Amino acid sequence: DVKVTQSSRYLVKRTGEKVFLECVQDMDHENMFWYRQDPGLGLRLIYFSYDVKMKEKGDIPEGYSVSREKKERFSLILESASTNQTSMYLCASSPDSSTDTQYFGPGTRLTVL
Amino acid sequence: AQSVAQPEDQVNVAEGNPLTVKCTYSVSGNPYLFWYVQYPNRGLQFLLKYITGDNLVKGSYGFEAEFNKSQTSFHLKKPSALVSDSALYFCAVSRDYKLSFGAGTTVTVRA
Repeated sequence: DVKVTQSSRYLVKRTGEKVFLECVQDMDHENMFWYRQDPGLGLRLIYFSYDVKMKEKGDIPEGYSVSREKKERFSLILESASTNQTSMYLCASSPDSSTDTQYFGPGTRLTVL
Repeated sequence: AQSVAQPEDQVNVAEGNPLTVKCTYSVSGNPYLFWYVQYPNRGLQFLLKYITGDNLVKGSYGFEAEFNKSQTSFHLKKPSALVSDSALYFCAVSRDYKLSFGAGTTVTVRA
């Protein structure tokens, strides 16, 4: 079975802090994704990586950056956390093509005070 | 632009009754459509997908979905709902390796 793990289930940070969310997949997938989930808005793509050190902005990249130094690990970085970044963050991975299923981690619920 | 819409925020059914969760899509080209389910405090789990071929797609946990090109719909169905099917359901369309999700439909199955 594909396994996608995220470093924390719950995280509480203060405004202005730098926040790192880590995601690891164990299936040698090419693609990795970061989404945020908010009630009534579904999931929105923040960033996408299709290879090591390669990244592409999603629909809502403002205030976020990412890092993919190794194939299995994809990090989401909030340079200076703000209260409007309080949300559920979901990481996903998929093999290669547009028809491939994305597999999701359990999510990190981030609260910024 | 590729997008999906889920017209119902909530669906309530009695256990044993048929369950339908609606999804319509707007895409250019061939649509690649997905259904995911999210149980409380969990990540998303894949249910099924339509890529090509038979319009009726069977998936996990007894769910199926019907692709209808003329109505641009991809409704999720289950013939006999269980209380354990209570969850948040998302429809999604694939575009350039990325998924665009609907807003989600909360399903409540009462005993």
